[in-house]
Amino acid sequence: AQSVTQLDSQVPVFEEAPVELRCNYSSSVSVYLFWYVQYPNQGLQLLLKYLSGSTLVKGINGFEAEFNKSQTSFHLRKPSVHISDTAEYFCAVSDRGGYQKVTFGTGTKLQVIP
Amino acid sequence: ETGVTQTPRHLVMGMTNKKSLKCEQHLGHNAMYWYKQSAKKPLELMFVYSLEERVENNSVPSRFSPECPNSSHLFLHLHTLQPEDSALYLCASSPRTDSYEQYFGPGTRLTVT
Repeated sequence: AQSVTQLDSQVPVFEEAPVELRCNYSSSVSVYLFWYVQYPNQGLQLLLKYLSGSTLVKGINGFEAEFNKSQTSFHLRKPSVHISDTAEYFCAVSDRGGYQKVTFGTGTKLQVIP
Repeated sequence: ETGVTQTPRHLVMGMTNKKSLKCEQHLGHNAMYWYKQSAKKPLELMFVYSLEERVENNSVPSRFSPECPNSSHLFLHLHTLQPEDSALYLCASSPRTDSYEQYFGPGTRLTVT
């Protein structure tokens, strides 16, 4: 069984400041890792993904995440946030078995303060 | 229209009503999903369809009844719901069930009174 933990339910940060949203996972097999973003009144949109290769993954809107296998983490970072980044961010994990099944975290609400 | 669309966007229904949620994907995908999103809880996968065949039913109560008439359309039929069923219901699609990326619709905000 796999699980995802997002320890921070809300993260307030001032505009143009850096931000890190934390994600830890557990799985008995190798995994794919994802970050999704959900803007108000919208569905989830894929921000970035880790499948294999380089542990530093770059996504859309200036976000990046680093896969750390020893710490089973996949934290999301952005060096300078904008008001438009205010949204809820979901970390997700999928095992590499034949049948695709994604487990999502509980989400972190990023509130960018002007 | 592109992507994944869902109608209605908002729905208020009584516990004795029958209603249906509709999802349509314009991406040529073969797999479609229903998720339930409740506040402070992880997304819950409800149903998975692959080429119109149901391949996953995550112990969802029978008051939720899915229907997939073709690979582009997915319905969720609702009857005799409970207030705790109030949530955002998200539809998603992917090229296949073993694809790593899912494309989500905007959701239907359901309120059961």
